[in-house]
Amino acid sequence: DAKTTQPNSMESNEEEPVHLPCNHSTISGTDYIHWYRQLPSQGPEYVIHGLTSNVNNRMASLAIAEDRKSSTLILHRATLRDAAVYYCILHNNDMRFGAGTRLTVKP
Amino acid sequence: DVKVTQSSRYLVKRTGEKVFLECVQDMDHENMFWYRQDPGLGLRLIYFSYDVKMKEKGDIPEGYSVSREKKERFSLILESASTNQTSMYLCASSSSEETQYFGPGTRLLVL
Repeated sequence: DAKTTQPNSMESNEEEPVHLPCNHSTISGTDYIHWYRQLPSQGPEYVIHGLTSNVNNRMASLAIAEDRKSSTLILHRATLRDAAVYYCILHNNDMRFGAGTRLTVKP
Repeated sequence: DVKVTQSSRYLVKRTGEKVFLECVQDMDHENMFWYRQDPGLGLRLIYFSYDVKMKEKGDIPEGYSVSREKKERFSLILESASTNQTSMYLCASSSSEETQYFGPGTRLLVL
């Protein structure tokens, strides 16, 4: 199974951009790159996903490397409510979540 | 909005008891999933189902079984609860578009 590697934790200041990296060197051609986040005491929620091209939505942007071996989730202006664990997942037939990156946002 | 509900937020059971965790989704999704979440281990897939009466083992199915008699309902069963099954249990559903929608989770304590 294709796996992802993320830093265990990151810190950011409020209202600054945050770049959350993910490595997926064994990605296959049909794997979609999904990002979810889990706020405290809640189930994970979908953030964004893409295949080859960069993607934007109201929550975040997803930048995908040309060789697709890595991607970066971009929060343009972090708020305190963005403090969560962020999961990068490769999705083909099913999903496997790793430990994710715990993002701390400082006021 | 998609809604995935789980029967209990908190549950306390004794070792050896049979435990049922219920999950219901209201968006006619084909796919449903059960995960458990433990500190430092992230979410681990227990079982999933792509259709009624269909089930597939995930990464850690031992000690669990599932039932999908109706499309909207996916039950996780602990035949004989053990203390190492104390965990947070998360249910999710998805359509063919792949995005998963999660319930709020059930925190199970087995004494």
